[in-house]
Amino acid sequence: RKEVEQDPGPFNVPEGATVAFNCTYSNSASQSFFWYRQDCRKEPKLLMSVYSSGNEDGRFTAQLNRASQYISLLIRDSKLSDSATYLCVVSITGGFKTIFGAGTRLFVKA
Amino acid sequence: DARVTQTPRHKVTEMGQEVTMRCQPILGHNTVFWYRQTMMQGLELLAYFRNRAPLDDSGMPKDRFSAEMPDATLATLKIQPSEPRDSAVYFCASGFKPLTGFGEKLFFGSGTQLSVL
Repeated sequence: RKEVEQDPGPFNVPEGATVAFNCTYSNSASQSFFWYRQDCRKEPKLLMSVYSSGNEDGRFTAQLNRASQYISLLIRDSKLSDSATYLCVVSITGGFKTIFGAGTRLFVKA
Repeated sequence: DARVTQTPRHKVTEMGQEVTMRCQPILGHNTVFWYRQTMMQGLELLAYFRNRAPLDDSGMPKDRFSAEMPDATLATLKIQPSEPRDSAVYFCASGFKPLTGFGEKLFFGSGTQLSVL
């Protein structure tokens, strides 16, 4: 079983739609959680950190459920520019390992 | 803007040749990661350094791969001898991790696209 698992998609949604991505992690010692975004043929870039209480950044909302070892990302009012691969990232206790999920591809169409 | 610099951007080589990839982390960052990305495997962690010391290279094939940080401004990843299955994009990322606290936010270089024929 992979340490971080994501639905690979692709998710095809119209502009303006709300879309949610899920991610599960296997190591209960995981302490820090992030979502990164990767555009085609580019490097991953930090989208947002994920805090225990949940957090929001504009149209993006991240949630963490430690009991279920589950992270989510919600995108509201999707834009064409949101088309990318979204990577769930987990850092193990002590920060010695930062593990990336395989990513979920999102296509937003006009 | 501060950025992680990787060279070369592209490398085409023949099987059996040595490949060296270089990374200049962001000034002031104390952690460096090497990742390999393929369509099949996604981003795989190869090596991790903190304050130039290698802390984890369990994801790296030891017989042919080696990673070093000769100084704070340079990290290298070498493959010798290279094989076609090593073809991938290799990313370097740097971050700052304090002594206590949680995982750091990573900043990635543009990657080295390696093709081994």
